[in-house]
Amino acid sequence: GAGVSQSPSNKVTEKGKDVELRCDPISGHTALYWYRQSLGQGLEFLIYFQGNSAPDKSGLPSDRFSAERTGGSVSTLTIQRTQQEDSAVYLCASSLEARQPQHFGDGTRLSIL
Amino acid sequence: SQQGEEDPQALSIQEGENATMNCSYKTSINNLQWYRQNSGRGLVHLILIRSNEREKHSGRLRVTLDTSKKSSSLLITASRAADTASYFCATDAGGQNFVFGPGTRLSVLP
Repeated sequence: GAGVSQSPSNKVTEKGKDVELRCDPISGHTALYWYRQSLGQGLEFLIYFQGNSAPDKSGLPSDRFSAERTGGSVSTLTIQRTQQEDSAVYLCASSLEARQPQHFGDGTRLSIL
Repeated sequence: SQQGEEDPQALSIQEGENATMNCSYKTSINNLQWYRQNSGRGLVHLILIRSNEREKHSGRLRVTLDTSKKSSSLLITASRAADTASYFCATDAGGQNFVFGPGTRLSVLP
């Protein structure tokens, strides 16, 4: 079946612009995660959605970052007034329930010029 | 060190040899998971081991968990060039989200 889909796969934008990244999780998965990965590094947790509960936003690095998950399915991660240090691969993952194996998309590679 | 930290950072072996990677963590966990990441791709789940389990196998993969030492190991037997990837452990630290370590970069030389 379909896996986790992320779009766009690549995004190049100028410093100061806003960007929106999209994640389509696996149908029926209640948990959805966003991570950031810099080149050759591990994953940095950003935000976690579980069902109808309030999201865990503890990993968002600044108030320029926000995310929402509409209808318990598609999620968008928005970065406002982008900075060069925001350049990274943004990965989305979903799982059937909390603490279960996560299924990852291939990420969005974001480059801020 | 962070919750979920792998060592070594990089490992290079010949095809056919075994590869062992270790993961240490700091706080109590419900389960620990290992993932693989090929270059330019997302992570792929390999094995989940619960806190009350000591060892799990999946094909050529063997994972052990020692909760008294807060450590886990991933053994890949009879390695192949296709096993070349980065390997990450992830721990839930008792919560519902996960913390990933910085990973071990494995190179299997033909």
